[in-house]
Amino acid sequence: DAGVIQSPRHEVTEMGQEVTLRCKPISGHNSLFWYRQTMMRGLELLIYFNNNVPIDDSGMPEDRFSAKMPNASFSTLKIQPSEPRDSAVYFCASTKSGQGAYEQYFGPGTRLTVT
Amino acid sequence: AQKVTQAQTEISVVEKEDVTLDCVYETRDTTYYLFWYKQPPSGELVFLIRRNSFDEQNEISGRYSWNFQKSTSSFNFTITASQVVDSAVYFCALSEAFWAEYGNKLVFGAGTILRVKS
Repeated sequence: DAGVIQSPRHEVTEMGQEVTLRCKPISGHNSLFWYRQTMMRGLELLIYFNNNVPIDDSGMPEDRFSAKMPNASFSTLKIQPSEPRDSAVYFCASTKSGQGAYEQYFGPGTRLTVT
Repeated sequence: AQKVTQAQTEISVVEKEDVTLDCVYETRDTTYYLFWYKQPPSGELVFLIRRNSFDEQNEISGRYSWNFQKSTSSFNFTITASQVVDSAVYFCALSEAFWAEYGNKLVFGAGTILRVKS
């Protein structure tokens, strides 16, 4: 079975440019999470969706960040305009929701460098 | 509030040594779930284990074992006879039952870097 798919794997852009990161969750999973990982701050939850609806976006750093999930098989995280401090690895993860606990499965990540 | 503490920032061992990674958690919920993830140098996050708060049985999987103790709010991870391939960052995470309906929002610890030298 295909795991979580993220694209691009690497992105280098200049400050001020718009960046769009993409994620395809595992088929059948109805919860999707966006994380950011940096040396300084570790692994941070930015936003997550359940059944395509944003549940918690309290981790989104500021208005420059936005995320959408137009359908069950696709999500985007957009940064506009990008800044050097946005440089990080961005992970997407998916899981099933419901009674009990299900582990999250992570994509390979997108390494973003903003110069 | 939920919190996960991994006090060991970095551990270095020589191959074949046993090593234990500590994880202490805080939660007000009586039902919760604990997880361990591995992040090798290649960067991906790999799920290792999930444990429910009402199941305190320890678990062993090959060279890996986990010790869950509710009395001390700890969920420690032991690697027996460590190997170089075990070198990675290991994360402990917690999810409260409330969030299960919405997909288990996880709170991660800061991670422990494990270096296994040959």
